[in-house]
Amino acid sequence: AQSVSQHNHHVILSEAASLELGCNYSYGGTVNLFWYVQYPGQHLQLLLKYFSGDPLVKGIKGFEAEFIKSKFSFNLRKPSVQWSDTAEYFCALKGGGYNKLIFGAGTRLAVHP
Amino acid sequence: DSGVTQTPKHLITATGQRVTLRCSPRSGDLSVYWYQQSLDQGLQFLIQYYNGEERAKGNILERFSAQQFPDLHSELNLSSLELGDSALYFCASSVRGYNSPLHFGNGTRLTVT
Repeated sequence: AQSVSQHNHHVILSEAASLELGCNYSYGGTVNLFWYVQYPGQHLQLLLKYFSGDPLVKGIKGFEAEFIKSKFSFNLRKPSVQWSDTAEYFCALKGGGYNKLIFGAGTRLAVHP
Repeated sequence: DSGVTQTPKHLITATGQRVTLRCSPRSGDLSVYWYQQSLDQGLQFLIQYYNGEERAKGNILERFSAQQFPDLHSELNLSSLELGDSALYFCASSVRGYNSPLHFGNGTRLTVT
């Protein structure tokens, strides 16, 4: 069965701090991996996606993620966060022939000015 | 704006009632997905349709049903509502293909009293 684990449920940072949110998945085959962001009161928006090729993926708003197959991980990073990055972040995967996205539990990020 | 339209935005109803949530996918997208987001369960996949046919089923209760119409809009029907059905219901759409990300609507917030 496919599953996604996000170990940090709540993260609090000050502006300009660096961010790394953990994501591990469980699936033995080829995966597509995604990070979505949900700003307060809004819908989920795609931050970045990994399908194949370069394991370091760059997304919108200065975010990037690295796919490490040996560790079944797809951690999200940003060198310097801003107050406007306050949101909930979801890691998700599509595995094999399945089209549905399986989401992690989410990480709530609060950035203080 | 993701291009996915969901109506209504808010719905308040009583236990035992039946409601219908509507979703119009992005232009050109053939797949529609329904997700339920609650505080205790996170983002749960309910069901997927592709070009009018059911493609995948997740944790959808028997009291819930969905369909996708020839014009590709979709409806999620929730019946015999219980307090625990209170949640945010998201619709998402994607073009055909394993590598296509999902684009989410703004959701319908259902409150069962």
